[in-house]
Amino acid sequence: GQNIDQPTEMTATEGAIVQINCTYQTSGFNGLFWYQQHAGEAPTFLSYNVLDGLEEKGRFSSFLSRSKGYSYLLLKELQMKDSASYLCAVRDQNYQLIWGAGTKLIIKP
Amino acid sequence: IAGITQAPTSQILAAGRRMTLRCTQDMRHNAMYWYRQDLGLGLRLIHYSNTAGTTGKGEVPDGYSVSRANTDDFPLTLASAVPSQTSVYFCASTKTSGSTGELFFGEGSRLTVL
Repeated sequence: GQNIDQPTEMTATEGAIVQINCTYQTSGFNGLFWYQQHAGEAPTFLSYNVLDGLEEKGRFSSFLSRSKGYSYLLLKELQMKDSASYLCAVRDQNYQLIWGAGTKLIIKP
Repeated sequence: IAGITQAPTSQILAAGRRMTLRCTQDMRHNAMYWYRQDLGLGLRLIHYSNTAGTTGKGEVPDGYSVSRANTDDFPLTLASAVPSQTSVYFCASTKTSGSTGELFFGEGSRLTVL
């Protein structure tokens, strides 16, 4: 079966750095997405990786290792507004998205 | 403002009633999707449409039906609602089903079936 694993919840301090991991086992691979979802709102796109390596976008970076079935989202200089759930999703061989359950990130002052 | 509009945003429904969740996008996206989101679970695909006139079943299609008469609209119908269909429903779209582009989501429809 297809599976996406990410931690259920993480806590970090304002101004710090946090890394949210995602491991996947899917039928084929056509890219990995990270989305942010604030409570009661819709998911919004953060990043996309299809090749191995690091993609940097401002305070957020996303890393992919296809051989290990592994990705992480790195958030730097954490702000209170970063408190949200972070969803990892993999596009499989049929171009369907398989979603993880999400990681709830709690930022403390 | 371009995007996806869902209606209603929230609804309480008696079991056995018929309900249609509406979804409209004005981005001329070909591919549209309906997901449900439940606590502790990832987004689960109910039905999808790669282009107007075609639809397909996702991971959890039972009890739901969709239609795609035109590019813009993709309604989701619960023929006879059951309590297990209590969930938050998200409509989403992307330019084409095989694209590497992001999904755009509507604001969600919170449905409670009693």
